[in-house]
Amino acid sequence: DAKTTQPNSMESNEEEPVHLPCNHSTISGTDYIHWYRQLPSQGPEYVIHGLTSNVNNRMASLAIAEDRKSSTLILHRATLRDAAVYYCILRGNQGGKLIFGQGTELSVKP
Amino acid sequence: DADVTQTPRNRITKTGKRIMLECSQTKGHDRMYWYRQDPGLGLRLIYYSFDVKDINKGEISDGYSVSRQAQAKFSLSLESAIPNQTALYFCATRGASGNTIYFGEGSWLTVV
Repeated sequence: DAKTTQPNSMESNEEEPVHLPCNHSTISGTDYIHWYRQLPSQGPEYVIHGLTSNVNNRMASLAIAEDRKSSTLILHRATLRDAAVYYCILRGNQGGKLIFGQGTELSVKP
Repeated sequence: DADVTQTPRNRITKTGKRIMLECSQTKGHDRMYWYRQDPGLGLRLIYYSFDVKDINKGEISDGYSVSRQAQAKFSLSLESAIPNQTALYFCATRGASGNTIYFGEGSWLTVV
């Protein structure tokens, strides 16, 4: 299974954009890039996913590098409720299991 | 009601005891997963199942077993619990054609 690398922690100010990076240099052509987040004392929740093109949804945007070896989760205006651990995960087209890494702990300052 | 329900939510057990964690889902998904999370760490996959007759080992299956009693139910057992199995356990589900995995609220297990 391909691995992902994320910074251990990041800080942001409230109402400012946040760019959470993820490196996945061993990604295969059929791997989807998924982002989940885990709020304190809760199970992980889906944020967004993509394959090659950039993606937007109500929660965030996902920017995928042209060579697909890295991606960035973008929170356009961080709120205090966005403080969580964010996981970047690769999921193969076959199998479908998600292998989690350490994630990035995002703290948001008022 | 939650889509993915785990029971018990908290349990303290003694070393050597058998403990079962149960998971049920109302989403009609065929794929179910068990993960373990240690404090300050990410989730690690224990077992996963793509349907009632399909069980697969994950990253850390030693010391655990599972049973897929029905499409909606997936149980995780520790036949002889040991202290280093103290962790937060998550059950999750996904539909065959879906991309989103839905997690339960977690079961805290402490082995003393």
